Amino acid sequence: EVQLQQSGAELVRSGASVKLSCTASGFNIKDYYMHWVKQRPEQGLEWIGWIDPENGDTEYDPKFQGKATMTADTSSNTAYLQLSSLTSEDTAVYYCKDGNYDYWGQGTTLTVSS
Amino acid sequence: DIVMTQSQKFMSTSVGDRVSITCKASQNVRTAVAWYQQKPGQSPKALIYLASNRHTGVPDRFTGSGSGTDFTLTINNVQSEDLADYFCLQHWNYPLTFGGGTKLEIK
Repeated sequence: EVQLQQSGAELVRSGASVKLSCTASGFNIKDYYMHWVKQRPEQGLEWIGWIDPENGDTEYDPKFQGKATMTADTSSNTAYLQLSSLTSEDTAVYYCKDGNYDYWGQGTTLTVSS
Repeated sequence: DIVMTQSQKFMSTSVGDRVSITCKASQNVRTAVAWYQQKPGQSPKALIYLASNRHTGVPDRFTGSGSGTDFTLTINNVQSEDLADYFCLQHWNYPLTFGGGTKLEIK
């Protein structure tokens, strides 16, 4: 069974960085792109980008360049999303999803406090 | 960026009815459109890929259609468990972009 298990909720101070994780089971992440998506209640869904875990290639929405960094560890079958210089605009739920089965993780709630 | 417009933010329907949710692309995206269902408190679930193909396990009352700029998700014989938000996504061009969503309410 394909599953994506994301790391737990984060409460982080403004200006800090955070690294979210997404561990896959039921498939090998190096076989498919892994995507990250941001959801805020009034802004809907925003695609952040994808990573090819096999070679580390990435594609970002330009508006997340400099904010988000995607990495992957094929040995642990885990994809990561690092967000830097956090502000209140980064408060959201972040999802990972795979690029083949289109399964989504359960989401990680990030709250940035001032 | 390609803008995906779901003009109906809210739709209300009754159990057993048919409902059509629309999504309009700001430019031709061929059939590179997916549809997602997000129930309250849950993560999105993929329903349709490449405009008209149902994912495994999706009930056949869900049908996707369209190409170019106009796309429709039709739910036949609506059930109470279909209460959810529905989103379209284009993956023809980067950045991938979502529609703003349509909230389906069951009377």
